[in-house]
Amino acid sequence: DVKVTQSSRYLVKRTGEKVFLECVQDMDHENMFWYRQDPGLGLRLIYFSYDVKMKEKGDIPEGYSVSREKKERFSLILESASTNQTSMYLCASSPAAGGGSAFFGQGTRLTVV
Amino acid sequence: GQSLEQPSEVTAVEGAIVQINCTYQTSGFYGLSWYQQHDGGAPTFLSYNALDGLEETGRFSSFLSRSDSYGYLLLQELQMKDSASYFCAVREKGSWGKLQFGAGTQVVVTP
Repeated sequence: DVKVTQSSRYLVKRTGEKVFLECVQDMDHENMFWYRQDPGLGLRLIYFSYDVKMKEKGDIPEGYSVSREKKERFSLILESASTNQTSMYLCASSPAAGGGSAFFGQGTRLTVV
Repeated sequence: GQSLEQPSEVTAVEGAIVQINCTYQTSGFYGLSWYQQHDGGAPTFLSYNALDGLEETGRFSSFLSRSDSYGYLLLQELQMKDSASYFCAVREKGSWGKLQFGAGTQVVVTP
């Protein structure tokens, strides 16, 4: 089975801190994604990557950056955490030619205080 | 760019049939997919329509009509465990596999 693992299930950080969310997949997928999920807003794409060191902005990239130094790992970075970044963060991966199928991690519930 | 619209909530009784519609505006996409998410869980892939028509997977079926910019997920013989959120999603053409989701439909199954 495909496994997508996010480093933390719950995280509490202070305003202004630099925050790293890590995601690792074990199926050699080309594509990896970071979404945030808020009630009533569905899954909003922050960034995605289609290859090592390649990245594209999603719909809400402001305040975030990403890093993909290895194919299996995709990191989301909050440069200076703010309270409006309190959310559920979901990582996903998919093969390049996999149609619509993506596999998600269990999510990181981030609270910024 | 694109946007996907789906109803926010649908309520039905056990054993009933529910249809969740998804209308979209997109400049081009490879296909329409559906995901299920239970409270506190991760979204899981349900089905994918690359071509127009109906795809059936057990109690769930999904339909796509590109000419109508419309698709739906059909849940038959509803069970309590089907209470969840359901999302439609498209993989955009010319965007390196970018996957965009709708806002989701909460399905509530009552006894």
